Amino acid sequence: AQSVTQLDSQVPVFEEAPVELRCNYSSSVSVYLFWYVQYPNQGLQLLLKYLSGSTLVKGINGFEAEFNKSQTSFHLRKPSVHISDTAEYFCAVGPGAGGTSYGKLTFGQGTILTVHP
Amino acid sequence: NAGVMQNPRHLVRRRGQEARLRCSPMKGHSHVYWYRQLPEEGLKFMVYLQKENIIDESGMPKERFSAEFPKEGPSILRIQQVVRGDSAAYFCASSFQTGPGELFFGEGSRLTVL
Repeated sequence: AQSVTQLDSQVPVFEEAPVELRCNYSSSVSVYLFWYVQYPNQGLQLLLKYLSGSTLVKGINGFEAEFNKSQTSFHLRKPSVHISDTAEYFCAVGPGAGGTSYGKLTFGQGTILTVHP
Repeated sequence: NAGVMQNPRHLVRRRGQEARLRCSPMKGHSHVYWYRQLPEEGLKFMVYLQKENIIDESGMPKERFSAEFPKEGPSILRIQQVVRGDSAAYFCASSFQTGPGELFFGEGSRLTVL
């Protein structure tokens, strides 16, 4: 079984400040890791994913995340946020190499990022 | 718009009625996933379908819920005899490959049960 914990339900920051959204996971098998963003009344959009290789992953809109296997974490970061980054962010894990149903993701509860002017 | 299309976007039903939610995947995608998002919670996997086949329904409630993805037409998530606890946003996602590619999500169907 897999589980995902997003450690902060809400993160308020000021515009142009750096931000980190924390995600920890647990799994008995190898996993792939994802961050999705959801704007109000919209579907989810993929920000970035870790499948293999370099543990530092760069995504869209200036976001990046670092996979830390020993700490089972996949924290999302951005050095300078904009008002338009205000949204809800979801961390997710899926079956890793050799798995099936690759789209069967386990999501965290979400972190609402609010960027203030 | 070549994205994942879901309809209706909003649906209101009274307890005991049936709800049908439709999902047209992106062009060329043959893998469809349904997720449910309850208030204040993340998305929960319900079912994974390919054309005419249910691949994984481990997240589907055993009663009242069913899903199909026919050879022609959209995927349908059907909820019979709805109860207030079924009120949620239901998201469909599609992908074009069996490997760990990107899931493309629709904008969701928000079901309210009175």
